[in-house]
Amino acid sequence: GAVVSQHPSRVICKSGTSVKIECRSLDFQATTMFWYRQFPKQSLMLMATSNEGSKATYEQGVEKDKFLINHASLTLSTLTVTSAHPEDSSFYICSATWSGDQPQHFGDGTRLSIL
Amino acid sequence: SQQGEEDPQALSIQEGENATMNCSYKTSINNLQWYRQNSGRGLVHLILIRSNEREKHSGRLRVTLDTSKKSSSLLITASRAADTASYFCATTSGSRLTFGEGTQLTVNP
Repeated sequence: GAVVSQHPSRVICKSGTSVKIECRSLDFQATTMFWYRQFPKQSLMLMATSNEGSKATYEQGVEKDKFLINHASLTLSTLTVTSAHPEDSSFYICSATWSGDQPQHFGDGTRLSIL
Repeated sequence: SQQGEEDPQALSIQEGENATMNCSYKTSINNLQWYRQNSGRGLVHLILIRSNEREKHSGRLRVTLDTSKKSSSLLITASRAADTASYFCATTSGSRLTFGEGTQLTVNP
């Protein structure tokens, strides 16, 4: 149980393109979803927390207009990297939970490469 | 900034040996969790230990928590090559996780 599906797993696109990443909880209702960014050989850095039906809470230093997050239903959250540039290349991972004191369940990540 | 600090950063052992990883943190926590990440993949939850617990077991995993020292350890017994991965501790405040820097474990067959 507690499966989170993240799609796509890999994206390669040109600079200036906007890229949408989907995160779905397949067998539970995710009241809260999280988006992380991970650089090679480093830990995960929380970008934003999103609760279903409300605006996402962004971490300090994360541009809201650059990383658009939508959590329109209890099973789906999307992260859109707008007008992506090479410095946005990274591994993006989502997670979901049905309760604040329960473990987060992670998707398999999306490797974004901007040329 | 990352709250958790883990040591060692990298650990290489032979199959069958035990692996111990340590994690320290700075602020009060509700609970502490350990996760595993295979290369290029998402994280898999291993075990959660609450702030009022001192030790927890799950299969070959043993986790300890010392809130007075603000530290935790993860012991993997009888390691296997398939245990090769990065291991992260994460502290919880509310629903928010703060990850440590991770330990890269390599188990040689």
